[in-house]
Amino acid sequence: ETGVTQTPRHLVMGMTNKKSLKCEQHLGHNAMYWYKQSAKKPLELMFVYSLEERVENNSVPSRFSPECPNSSHLFLHLHTLQPEDSALYLCASSQDIRGSGYTFGSGTRLTVV
Amino acid sequence: EDQVTQSPEALRLQEGESSSLNCSYTVSGLRGLFWYRQDPGKGPEFLFTLYSAGEEKEKERLKATLTKKESFLHITAPKPEDSATYLCAVQASLEKLSFGAGTTVTVRA
Repeated sequence: ETGVTQTPRHLVMGMTNKKSLKCEQHLGHNAMYWYKQSAKKPLELMFVYSLEERVENNSVPSRFSPECPNSSHLFLHLHTLQPEDSALYLCASSQDIRGSGYTFGSGTRLTVV
Repeated sequence: EDQVTQSPEALRLQEGESSSLNCSYTVSGLRGLFWYRQDPGKGPEFLFTLYSAGEEKEKERLKATLTKKESFLHITAPKPEDSATYLCAVQASLEKLSFGAGTTVTVRA
């Protein structure tokens, strides 16, 4: 399998649930990213990892917790979310954090009820 | 703070009717400007990177150009399969791409 793979594709969760989003890249890239995409809004950068170390946390609420166990895998752990957190969550990777030519996954469509 | 504004928000074209999308930006020290295509239910797909004013890139019916304040994505003789949302992003600092809200293009046969 090639590219960036995200699972699950769709997720519905209650506000008291705990769930995790998974991202895997098969491109040999060293940087990985989480973005949030809401309707009619620009993509919002949430987290950046370079060589498994977090280099940016864009003032994201603590109910979102990232984890990067190795350069191929990235997780986003979710707990006690709010309905306004419903969005498309996109994972991306690039060769390094200089960022040219991000490769995006297809995203996880999250609905918080 | 980096700002990226795309216009129009939506564009409806007849097949074969050429048009342009605009991306205006305000950044301190542009490292690169990126165009992506996004189809419904999918992640953005990389199209072009432009690095300096005057640079142009082409791919099939798409041509991207860059000035010091804006970029244009020209769609020549579009086909229905060109229907998508086109996203512009700029990179100033090392770790971050700042995106515009996108232009949704619909091409009717």
